[in-house]
Amino acid sequence: DTEVTQTPKHLVMGMTNKKSLKCEQHMGHRAMYWYKQKAKKPPELMFVYSYEKLSINESVPSRFSPECPNSSLLNLHLHALQPEDSALYLCASSQRQGAGNEQFFGPGTRLTVL
Amino acid sequence: AQKVTQAQTEISVVEKEDVTLDCVYETRDTTYYLFWYKQPPSGELVFLIRRNSFDEQNEISGRYSWNFQKSTSSFNFTITASQVVDSAVYFCALSESTSGTYKYIFGTGTRLKVLA
Repeated sequence: DTEVTQTPKHLVMGMTNKKSLKCEQHMGHRAMYWYKQKAKKPPELMFVYSYEKLSINESVPSRFSPECPNSSLLNLHLHALQPEDSALYLCASSQRQGAGNEQFFGPGTRLTVL
Repeated sequence: AQKVTQAQTEISVVEKEDVTLDCVYETRDTTYYLFWYKQPPSGELVFLIRRNSFDEQNEISGRYSWNFQKSTSSFNFTITASQVVDSAVYFCALSESTSGTYKYIFGTGTRLKVLA
């Protein structure tokens, strides 16, 4: 199994809703990533987990809350989002967190905040 | 400071033409890695290649080839005999060994349109 899966594919939520994005990989990778991508821009790193511990938080607002319940799963909990948070949210994984480790991306969740 | 420049915002070619996507990087590290990713309209970034700073050998994989030149800090990507399925946004990325975070520094991407 060489893929990263993400659910849901699309999500529309209001500013008062609470929702979660889910990401799963079964490649035995020990580093997992959340990225945010706006249209016509490159992905922007949000969080990195290494061995299920939060390794990097790129000063992301607290309305985004990551969680890594085990080595295969990564969640992103969303609460009180703003319309400007509408974007494609990509999950990725790599064998380890290290410069030479290529990241494998999931298909993303297209989030619309109304 | 580390930086990746993809000066070509958008390229259009006719099917079967060859096309080269440029990537120029800046880094102070002696050990670093360069990557190319393809992002089709579906959204998923597809890994194409990784190259480390000590390996300047060019690489060919089917219709794809990569030219890494440290002297000009470039890592260019050529598609030979392009096909409509090659239409996508292509990102070049840099990761440094001594940064501590090993984050990807992405270029702004090149949108390739291959016309039938």
